[in-house]
Amino acid sequence: QTVVTQEPSLTVSPGGTVTLTCASSTGAVTSGHFPNWFQQKPGQSPRTLIYSTSTKESWTPARFSGSLLGGKAALTLSGVQPEDEGDYYCLLYYGGAHPWVFGGGTKLTVL
Amino acid sequence: EVYLMESGGGLVQPGESLRLSCAASGFSFSRSALTWVRQAPGKGLEWVSVISDSGDETYYADSVEGRFIISRDNSKNRLFLQMNSLRVEDTAVYYCASPAFVGAWNPNYWGQGTLVTVS
Repeated sequence: QTVVTQEPSLTVSPGGTVTLTCASSTGAVTSGHFPNWFQQKPGQSPRTLIYSTSTKESWTPARFSGSLLGGKAALTLSGVQPEDEGDYYCLLYYGGAHPWVFGGGTKLTVL
Repeated sequence: EVYLMESGGGLVQPGESLRLSCAASGFSFSRSALTWVRQAPGKGLEWVSVISDSGDETYYADSVEGRFIISRDNSKNRLFLQMNSLRVEDTAVYYCASPAFVGAWNPNYWGQGTLVTVS
C-alpha cells in the first residue's frame, strides 16, 4: 500500500520561510504525480493552493510556491503571515485502481 | 463561480446504508471528473473515489472498494455516493470536489461537506 509522508508539524516565525515536503513510499516524486497542495483551517473545507506541482489557483497568495525538491514535492511559504497557520495536505497521483493518495498532513504553527 | 453542496449525511448503525448527494453548478459538470474525499474527526484527508465525466470509469480507495458506489446524473448536475455495509471507521465528513479544469482528475473545488456518523 502506497504511503505519502509529510512532516507532522512545523513551526515558523512570522515573516520567515518554511518548506513543507511530501514524500512517496514508491520512490521519488515527479511531475507525473501531479502534486497538489491544500490548506485547511479549523472548521473549514480544504482549499486548493497548488496543483500540477507548481500551478497556483487564482486565490493563492504569491508567497506560496510549489516545486520538486530532492525527490519530494515541496510547498514553500516565503514571508509567512499569521493567517497561514493551519493544516496542509499534499495529494499525489499514482494511476491504477487507486489513483490518488493524500499525505498525512502538516500542522503549521506561526509563532 | 463553482458551487458544490453535499447532502444526505446523518447517523446510521453499523451495517446500514446511506446515499450522499452533491449538487453542482458553475462549471462544465458533464465534462468533469468528480471526486469524493472524507475526513474522520480530528484526522487527515482521505481520498475515497473518483468518477469520469461520462461515468464509465470509477475508482475507489482500498478502504471502501466493494462497499461504496460512486455515480452521477449529468442531466441533473448531481454526484452520488452510495455507501453500503457502513462501519464505525467510515464516520467522517464527506466532501465532493470538482477539478481545476476539464480533463483534470484532481479535486480542486470543494463543497462544505456532510457528516456521516456510524454508531
